[in-house]
Amino acid sequence: GAVVSQHPSRVICKSGTSVKIECRSLDFQATTMFWYRQFPKQSLMLMATSNEGSKATYEQGVEKDKFLINHASLTLSTLTVTSAHPEDSSFYICSARAHSVLANSYNEQFFGPGTRLTVL
Amino acid sequence: DAKTTQPTSMDCAEGRAANLPCNHSTISGNEYVYWYRQIHSQGPQYIIHGLKNNETNEMASLIITEDRKSSTLILPHATLRDTAVYYCIVRVGGSQGNLIFGKGTKLSVKP
Repeated sequence: GAVVSQHPSRVICKSGTSVKIECRSLDFQATTMFWYRQFPKQSLMLMATSNEGSKATYEQGVEKDKFLINHASLTLSTLTVTSAHPEDSSFYICSARAHSVLANSYNEQFFGPGTRLTVL
Repeated sequence: DAKTTQPTSMDCAEGRAANLPCNHSTISGNEYVYWYRQIHSQGPQYIIHGLKNNETNEMASLIITEDRKSSTLILPHATLRDTAVYYCIVRVGGSQGNLIFGKGTKLSVKP
């Protein structure tokens, strides 16, 4: 299946700093990318949806000024956690939906391996 | 909110079939049922999806009831590596809709 990568896989930072997480679709063009967050022993929560070249759409309760999303190309999206605090510590997972020309008509969605963020 | 209901946990003996049920009684006619699984500390892995007909691939089979209000994911010969949380998801909004995860079923395959 299609491959989605994330970098870094694990990051530890001090409170107040900003952290950038990259998400790449390696062998397909992703018109839409998604960012999820998962706290321990909980399910994935959708944070935002981004389409290439346009502003991201954030889910209710997600601060757009704190979680900056950039989807500058069909293969790259970045999530920047600004002024991170310990409560932002979580497992961040990106997902990419294949362009319809390259995938079947069901627009399959593929997930990255996740980034573990720990804010001290 | 997720539109599916799954048991919190299930056990299965290694080598036996694992049957994971899912209720989606409010599903609409054009909404697909997707199954993903998540092994600890990894991203979700696609398993299978379907609309009306039963589906089978190299990983699993998906049985959808005629009224589409429930479905069952079948892993024909479970192995220890199949231990994971299995998510049944109804994609709202057609092929462009988002995948909204519920709590899933924690499947434990035991030797």
